[in-house]
Amino acid sequence: GENVEQHPSTLSVQEGDSAVIKCTYSDSASNYFPWYKQELGKRPQLIIDIRSNVGEKKDQRIAVTLNKTAKHFSLHITETQPEDSAVYFCAASKSGGTSYGKLTFGQGTILTVHP
Amino acid sequence: GAVVSQHPSRVICKSGTSVKIECRSLDFQATTMFWYRQFPKQSLMLMATSNEGSKATYEQGVEKDKFLINHASLTLSTLTVTSAHPEDSSFYICSASGLASGVILDTQYFGPGTRLTVL
Repeated sequence: GENVEQHPSTLSVQEGDSAVIKCTYSDSASNYFPWYKQELGKRPQLIIDIRSNVGEKKDQRIAVTLNKTAKHFSLHITETQPEDSAVYFCAASKSGGTSYGKLTFGQGTILTVHP
Repeated sequence: GAVVSQHPSRVICKSGTSVKIECRSLDFQATTMFWYRQFPKQSLMLMATSNEGSKATYEQGVEKDKFLINHASLTLSTLTVTSAHPEDSSFYICSASGLASGVILDTQYFGPGTRLTVL
């Protein structure tokens, strides 16, 4: 089955700095890669996703890059703010048909943005 | 759109009792629902995948007789933790994907989670 590795496990940055979280996956058939932000006791919130036919996607301060050959994808947050502090998870799945496939999550990264 | 609700949000029960958790898609047809478990400071681990009208597919290591999943309609799936024990205490989260007005949804949508504490 799919295996997703995520690094680093913790990341501490100063407000305004950039943060980068990296994930690798094992199943070359995976074609959908979402990133989630989870605050304590809350549901995961989708912040950005990328599909295998795209190499990069950007949404304001957040960007994701995908290298299919190397089977890794990364989350980039620029101009970090204290409210960006949370746990971030990457995930991978095979989508298609009438529904999206099961997600395999990375281990998570605790991001702390210091004012 | 694409809202998923869960009930209850938190439940405390005695060891040996059974607990039922409901997951509902409020504004779309959930052809597939997923159940995850998350222990403190850990990632989400998929427990099972259920397609409407079919038996659930359980992940390796998840006891199907202990975690009963029913997905009898396009808007409701239930997870029943039978004979719960303290080690079953966890955060249980469902997600759903499917169709909204005939259009395939572009991702999974998560419920708010249920905090189960077994005494």
